[in-house]
Amino acid sequence: IAGITQAPTSQILAAGRRMTLRCTQDMRHNAMYWYRQDLGLGLRLIHYSNTAGTTGKGEVPDGYSVSRANTDDFPLTLASAVPSQTSVYFCASSDSRGGFRDYGYTFGSGTRLTVV
Amino acid sequence: DQQVKQNSPSLSVQEGRISILNCDYTNSMFDYFLWYKKYPAEGPTFLISISSIKDKNEDGRFTVFLNKSAKHLSLHIVPSQPGDSAVYFCAASPDAGNNRKLIWGLGTSLAVNP
Repeated sequence: IAGITQAPTSQILAAGRRMTLRCTQDMRHNAMYWYRQDLGLGLRLIHYSNTAGTTGKGEVPDGYSVSRANTDDFPLTLASAVPSQTSVYFCASSDSRGGFRDYGYTFGSGTRLTVV
Repeated sequence: DQQVKQNSPSLSVQEGRISILNCDYTNSMFDYFLWYKKYPAEGPTFLISISSIKDKNEDGRFTVFLNKSAKHLSLHIVPSQPGDSAVYFCAASPDAGNNRKLIWGLGTSLAVNP
């Protein structure tokens, strides 16, 4: 793999079910992020992690949880899915060490989740 | 309230002409700005960035201009090509350290017509 891999690519999920979206990067980036993209609302940050072992809440964290056990993996869990969580989810990473060098984020291809 | 605003949801340009995408921001503490490009069914990809200590950054056909007094930046694409048709997101960061959460605009959909 090169870059960020997200799985699954798409999923239809019954409301109330638990779901984990997977995200793996092979660039040894220290920071990782989960976004959701909804029409007319742009990209909204759900959770982030500046380094392995730490996580933080973004602007729309409710109903989601994350963990960062190692540098490469950053799974996003929906404990009990609701229809309002229907969205496209993007995982991203960045190397934020050393000042402005390598500032840009690298994104995965996204997971399209439909909660019915 | 949107701290980063892209007021044009869409833009249509003829191939070979200049495309100008605009972005306004409200937070004077933003010190780094980025543009991303997104094709359907793909994640956004980093395009070009600019630090607040500069007023222009150029990379091939892409140039970003920053006007700090007006809190405005723009992305120029010259000449525009059909492959440039995508959604362009403007993003800004208030931090220069390790906490680099970006604030995003809603995007502008660019269509370059042959």
